[in-house]
Amino acid sequence: KNQVEQSPQSLIILEGKNCTLQCNYTVSPFSNLRWYKQDTGRGPVSLTIMTFSENTKSNGRYTATLDADTKQSSLHITASQLSDSASYICVVSLQSGGSYIPTFGRGTSLIVHP
Amino acid sequence: DAGVIQSPRHEVTEMGQEVTLRCKPISGHNSLFWYRQTMMRGLELLIYFNNNVPIDDSGMPEDRFSAKMPNASFSTLKIQPSEPRDSAVYFCASSDRAPNNEQFFGPGTRLTVL
Repeated sequence: KNQVEQSPQSLIILEGKNCTLQCNYTVSPFSNLRWYKQDTGRGPVSLTIMTFSENTKSNGRYTATLDADTKQSSLHITASQLSDSASYICVVSLQSGGSYIPTFGRGTSLIVHP
Repeated sequence: DAGVIQSPRHEVTEMGQEVTLRCKPISGHNSLFWYRQTMMRGLELLIYFNNNVPIDDSGMPEDRFSAKMPNASFSTLKIQPSEPRDSAVYFCASSDRAPNNEQFFGPGTRLTVL
């Protein structure tokens, strides 16, 4: 069964600190992995996308890594800001017979305190 | 472009009533997705369309749910009859068909069934 597991479920850090969120998946055949940020009351917004051949991708203070062999990904946030408080969702997609199916993780809820 | 537009933003109805959620995708996008998000289950893909044709509706929970896309600029998700367990936030997203392309989410419709 295709699954995406994220950890931790929630995280509280102080402003300015770094943090790393984890994503493990069993989706196959793999097409791409995306990290989304979802602010409270809004729809998810894409932060990064990685295909099989990519093992790191940055977007400002956000850096995602991918190990396709172990089927693990991480999202590292550097020098956190209050605006980073949100839910971060890992999404792994497979492509099969022309169809495109995303599988969503449950998300990690991040709270950044001043 | 105004992004993905959803209406209504909030809907409160009584059990047994019909509910219709509406979505206008980003112009030029040819894939449209309907999602449901709850605290318990996270984001779930309900159905998606390519070029107005339903491709995968395996996520639609029951026959009470139906979705249509009569043209490239409009889609509906209907629940008839509604039940309290349908209470959730329903998101619509659109993208170019290429699988590595980003899905752009609408603001969501918060549905409460009493």
